[in-house]
Amino acid sequence: GAGVSQSPSNKVTEKGKDVELRCDPISGHTALYWYRQSLGQGLEFLIYFQGNSAPDKSGLPSDRFSAERTGGSVSTLTIQRTQQEDSAVYLCASSGRVLANTGELFFGEGSRLTVL
Amino acid sequence: RKEVEQDPGPFNVPEGATVAFNCTYSNSASQSFFWYRQDCRKEPKLLMSVYSSGNEDGRFTAQLNRASQYISLLIRDSKLSDSATYLCVVNEGQAGTALIFGKGTTLSVSS
Repeated sequence: GAGVSQSPSNKVTEKGKDVELRCDPISGHTALYWYRQSLGQGLEFLIYFQGNSAPDKSGLPSDRFSAERTGGSVSTLTIQRTQQEDSAVYLCASSGRVLANTGELFFGEGSRLTVL
Repeated sequence: RKEVEQDPGPFNVPEGATVAFNCTYSNSASQSFFWYRQDCRKEPKLLMSVYSSGNEDGRFTAQLNRASQYISLLIRDSKLSDSATYLCVVNEGQAGTALIFGKGTTLSVSS
């Protein structure tokens, strides 16, 4: 596909379970971001991958959250021992260059996570 | 603390109206500025960049006031399809954390 693809689109899980969210960025895009958006809130930065550089993990809210990007393409965000406050839409975005003045990120449609 | 503040609205306007949104930012060293649009339960999409000299794209005009640290978005001749949430975005540098998103201003255009 031409756009950023995320899966699953919806995930309902029980508190304490682990979840994996997948992001397939636009082919050739070197930068990949994960954001979280809770109801009525702005986008909260989680993690940023740029090429082969070490990821910027400064936005991850706790050590239950981790992410990896294999082969410079697909990324997986893992949340261990989910809590109800983890319920949100997790958005992945990619960009074709190091964050520059274009500011244009291409977002996927998001993965809506509900923790019961 | 880095902040981007927007009036959440909602702004309820009739078709054909002109509506303006403002956004303030706290970091005077911010480098570039953008407006994104987010439809209900959809992903954000870039609407337009905001240049120091101001810029216009059809019915949309964006302006930047660095001295007062705010940016604005003006929509003329509002259409029903303009109904959405408009996110103010400030770029503070090159780090992954550099893009700061406002919480958005909701616009509802009615017939």
